Parts: sequence; C-alpha cells; structure tokens
Amino acid sequence: GENVEQHPSTLSVQEGDSAVIKCTYSDSASNYFPWYKQELGKRPQLIIDIRSNVGEKKDQRIAVTLNKTAKHFSLHITETQPEDSAVYFCLNQAGTALIFGKGTTLSVSS
Amino acid sequence: EAGVTQFPSHSVIEKGQTVTLRCDPISGHDNLYWYRRVMGKEIKFLLHFVKESKQDESGMPNNRFLAERTGGTYSTLKVQPAELEDSGVYFCASSDSSAPNTGELFFGEGSRLTVL
Repeated sequence: GENVEQHPSTLSVQEGDSAVIKCTYSDSASNYFPWYKQELGKRPQLIIDIRSNVGEKKDQRIAVTLNKTAKHFSLHITETQPEDSAVYFCLNQAGTALIFGKGTTLSVSS
Repeated sequence: EAGVTQFPSHSVIEKGQTVTLRCDPISGHDNLYWYRRVMGKEIKFLLHFVKESKQDESGMPNNRFLAERTGGTYSTLKVQPAELEDSGVYFCASSDSSAPNTGELFFGEGSRLTVL
C-alpha cells in the first residue's frame, strides 16, 4: 500500500474560509512531518513542519497538527486568501526515502 | 548564498536520444534528492544521495536512468535511451540535515524534459 495518503485531492474554498488537508502515513518510525507549497510554475517550498515530540505548531495563519497514535498529520490554513491558491504536499519517510503525498490543489476564490 | 540550481531548465529530445540533467545543491548539503513529476501534480521519489553514496534508489524506474554524484558535490541524472513516458519535470533538492529525511528540503526550479 501507499506510504503516505493525502486527502483531499482538490479543495475549493471562499476567501476567508478555513482549509484542512490531511495525510495518513504508515511508517511508525517517522518523526518529521513537513508540508510544502508549490505555486504554479515554481519550486516546492517548505511552509511548516513538525517533529514527533509535539502535537501542534502554528505560524500565523498556518498550523500543523500531529496524531501519532492514528498516524496522521494535518495542515490547517485559516482566513484563506487568493494567494494561498497552490498545490500542497505532505512528505513522509518511507524507509530511507522521503515520499511526497499526491498533492492537494487548493483554490481560494474571492 | 546560491540556492539549488538545475540545468537545463528545459530539454527537448527525440525518443532514443540521451539527456543528462545536472543539479548543483547548496554548498555543504550532504543530502541530495531527485524527484520527477510525470503528468499531473504527483511528484515521485527517484533517489537519495548522502554525499557520494546512494542511500536509496528504490524510485528509479528502470536501468535507463543513471544517477551519479562523484565527489559528493553536484549530481547528474542521465536518461539513455529516452522514451516518451520519461517526459516530465525533474526536481532536485538538497538538505543539510545530519539526520537524513528530517530537515528542510531546498528545491531547484526543475528541469523540464520533453521526449518526442
């Protein structure tokens, strides 16, 4: 099966709404959980990450939560703005590889 | 400080030809990763170098792909002979984390390969 499953594949919200993207992983040894944003035609860039010794981390409108028992971590974006429109990826360890989730296309309409 | 650079930015070749993509990581970064996006948005892992050693090459699709990182600095990814399904965007990323797979990846702009 997949090492990391990401949902939803697409997400459309109105400006000001919240958006939540979830990744479920299988490697119990995972201890690092990053989220990357890729705008159209640009390179992926880290927006937030969390390590396994904490359950939540916030950076302004962005937060990541981790549930190690259930093996999932989520990206939360509050007060969404049109410039948040992009593809978001979670990454997770799979043995000695670092695997991308399949990506979530977030569209924020004004 | 220069970021991760990739060359060429775009390559158009005929089926059966050879192409070599190059990645220069951020100086001092021991970890170097190759990924590719083929059709749509999904980004697939190809391989991971730690210095000059291949830590994990489980994502390499077949023996037409050869990656090297002689001296532990820049890396090359050669596709020989290229097939139509190899078309896509090849991303390189580097990381300075002493614990592989636990630090920020810095990505290059990508090399777009089109095989006709």
